[in-house]
Parts: sequence; structure tokens; C-alpha cells
Amino acid sequence: DADVTQTPRNRITKTGKRIMLECSQTKGHDRMYWYRQDPGLGLRLIYYSFDVKDINKGEISDGYSVSRQAQAKFSLSLESAIPNQTALYFCATSGNGQGGQPQHFGDGTRLSIL
Amino acid sequence: GDSVTQMEGPVTLSEEAFLTINCTYTATGYPSLFWYVQYPGEGLQLLLKATKADDKGSNKGFEATYRKETTSFHLEKGSVQVSDSAVYFCALKERGGSEKLVFGKGTKLTVNP
Repeated sequence: DADVTQTPRNRITKTGKRIMLECSQTKGHDRMYWYRQDPGLGLRLIYYSFDVKDINKGEISDGYSVSRQAQAKFSLSLESAIPNQTALYFCATSGNGQGGQPQHFGDGTRLSIL
Repeated sequence: GDSVTQMEGPVTLSEEAFLTINCTYTATGYPSLFWYVQYPGEGLQLLLKATKADDKGSNKGFEATYRKETTSFHLEKGSVQVSDSAVYFCALKERGGSEKLVFGKGTKLTVNP
């Protein structure tokens, strides 16, 4: 079983709809992240959370919100989806150690907004 | 802010060829450096990492050395295989704050038999 699980894997929806992407992890990590990937742009940070009571904006948080329901669950919402939010979305987790702790990624959610 | 620049692709090689993917970074502190690989339809997997100057990360025949003097972390492999075809991302991890990963734009590698 995957350590970081994202659902759904693919989603097609219409402009204006509310969308929720879910992430759950079995790694026991406190830190969780949401990134989006666009062709030719690499990955950019949307939101991150260091524990259940800690939520922080990343570099491109406008139009998104998040909820940390439990240590293992971190969901990303698009309140009113727009076409330029079409992208591949990744959830990641990491441990609390300083510096060299890598981030572990889910397989991604491919979101298309028509 | 911190940034990562990696060579643009796509890169196409024949099997058993030597691979280099260049990566340079700009950072105010002393970041940790990573290479991630993304196979088609999958998420990013950690390939290797280095946490301080002159460290060499290695995995699956790939190597990269943390060069502080040239702010570089070039990825190399002596003999590539078809199964190495993927997109490779260089990234740095900021110390403190979000400790987010800052990614390069990725380099697509195709290895032909």
C-alpha cells in the first residue's frame, strides 16, 4: 500500500464547482504539503501544515483552502474552480528532522476544469 | 528568494550513454539538495540527496555532489538504461520557515534502445 494516498486520481469538472482533493498518509509524519505541477514550471507550493493546528499559505494559495482533519489527513479545496486551476496536484509529507529530511509524494491528482 | 535552475530538456540518449543534467541553485543559507525522479503517471520519488558541502548523494547508479563554491548539484550516471526514461527534478530545501522544496522546472530524459 502507498504511504501517501491521494484521491481522486483524476477529476474533470466544470467552472464554478467546488472540488475537494484528499490526502492521507501512513508515514506518521507531522508535516504535510500541497503542490501543483504545471508543464514547464516544476512544482509550486500551495499550502503546508506542520501539525493539526498549524496551517500556512504557500506561494500560490489564492483560490485554494485546506483542512487538516487529523495528523494523517490533509485536504485541498477549490471553492469555485476556474480553468487556470487545471493542473496536476501533489500531496507530500515529511518528518520533523532538520535539513535533510526528504519529502514523500503521493501519485498525484490530475484535475481538469472545463 | 531561493531558486533552482536546471538544464532544459528534453534530453535524448542511447542506452549505455553517459548522462549529465546540470543544476545550479541560489540560496541565502545552506540548503539541503535533492534530485527527484518522476516516471510517467506517477508521483515524485526521491532519487538522492546531499545535506552539506562536498557531500555526494548516490542511488541506482546516479550520483550528484554538493558543490558550494559553484552552487551546483549536477546529476550524473555513467551508463543509462531505457528504464531511466523519466522527468528529473532538482530541488533545494529551505532551512527554517516552511522548509518547503523549491524545484527546478524538470528535465525530461528519453533513453532509446
